[in-house]
Amino acid sequence: QQQVKQSPQSLIVQKGGIPIINCAYENTAFDYFPWYQQFPGKGPALLIAIRPDVSEKKEGRFTISFNKSAKQFSLHIMDSQPGDSATYFCAASMMYGQNFVFGPGTRLSVLP
Amino acid sequence: DVKVTQSSRYLVKRTGEKVFLECVQDMDHENMFWYRQDPGLGLRLIYFSYDVKMKEKGDIPEGYSVSREKKERFSLILESASTNQTSMYLCASLGLAKNIQYFGAGTRLSVL
Repeated sequence: QQQVKQSPQSLIVQKGGIPIINCAYENTAFDYFPWYQQFPGKGPALLIAIRPDVSEKKEGRFTISFNKSAKQFSLHIMDSQPGDSATYFCAASMMYGQNFVFGPGTRLSVLP
Repeated sequence: DVKVTQSSRYLVKRTGEKVFLECVQDMDHENMFWYRQDPGLGLRLIYFSYDVKMKEKGDIPEGYSVSREKKERFSLILESASTNQTSMYLCASLGLAKNIQYFGAGTRLSVL
């Protein structure tokens, strides 16, 4: 119930492509869904986050789509660039201050 | 900017040694976390603390302990290091105002 599933494990796209990373959860008590981006040698950093009262959130080239009934959410990266090559983690938590449950991560490579 | 500093980037220890991993944050955050990151498993919570001298077990606390004597500092202790504790260790702090976790750069620990 506490798990967050994430797919694919790895993804390779050409520059300008639109990689999509999918996550699914079981616990309906989760109500905050962030995405973290991690570059080699660095800790994860918050990229974008969504609450279940909206179905989509966009920040620059990054968009989260959220399907509450299916308990799924996904990250889309528009016009992907080689600099977007990183590992992406989805996560879920139950309101403020609580533990975050992370997905296993997706390693994205954007080819020039 | 929030800064979470982990004292060592790389550590090599022998089986049976006592190991201390230190983490300091400079934003007066209430909550602090220790995660372990392994390929294909994502980030798994070891312990977290929501106040000085308070601690809660995460998903994989066995073989670890923690100490939080001051608000800004959260230490992870491996009482008797074993080879299966070879991993990347990430510290994070969370400010309740924005519900954002900030991560340190990580400590890569090798136990020989």
